[in-house]
Amino acid sequence: GENVEQHPSTLSVQEGDSAVIKCTYSDSASNYFPWYKQELGKRPQLIIDIRSNVGEKKDQRIAVTLNKTAKHFSLHITETQPEDSAVYFCAAFTGGGNKLTFGTGTQLKVEL
Amino acid sequence: SQTIHQWPATLVQPVGSPLSLECTVEGTSNPNLYWYRQAAGRGLQLLFYSVGIGQISSEVPQNLSASRPQDRQFILSSKKLLLSDSGFYLCAWSVRTADTQYFGPGTRLTVL
Repeated sequence: GENVEQHPSTLSVQEGDSAVIKCTYSDSASNYFPWYKQELGKRPQLIIDIRSNVGEKKDQRIAVTLNKTAKHFSLHITETQPEDSAVYFCAAFTGGGNKLTFGTGTQLKVEL
Repeated sequence: SQTIHQWPATLVQPVGSPLSLECTVEGTSNPNLYWYRQAAGRGLQLLFYSVGIGQISSEVPQNLSASRPQDRQFILSSKKLLLSDSGFYLCAWSVRTADTQYFGPGTRLTVL
């Protein structure tokens, strides 16, 4: 089945700096890659997603890039703010498995 | 617009007691429905998913079961809870299989 690895597990940045979280997946048939943000005690919220026919997608300060050849995708957050502090999960969808496989999460801390 | 509800929000149960968690979705028809469990400080583990009434796929063999008695209702049950069943239980829905999943507010279960 699909396996998704996510790095780093924790990330601390200064306010205004950029943050990058990377994920790799194992199944070359995976075709949908969402990113979720989860604040403490809350539900995961979708922040951005990308499909396999697109290499990059951007939404204001957030961008996701996908390299199908290398089977990895990354989340980029620019001009980080304290409210960006949360756990971020990547995921990959494989039609064969008919489900989303999640990474293990990255705890992002934006320090003042 | 679509909304997803879960109840109860929190639950404290003794070991060996039964469990019933409910999830309902409004504003859409024939959604895909999912149950996830998140242990403290951990990632998301898919437990069950359903693509229609009475259709349940199990991802993890354990003492939990799921049912979908109505189109927009998904129930997670157990006959006898274990300590290891403690966690944050999240219900999610999507329009289609390879589509964005939207999470409910979750149920925090503590088994003592």
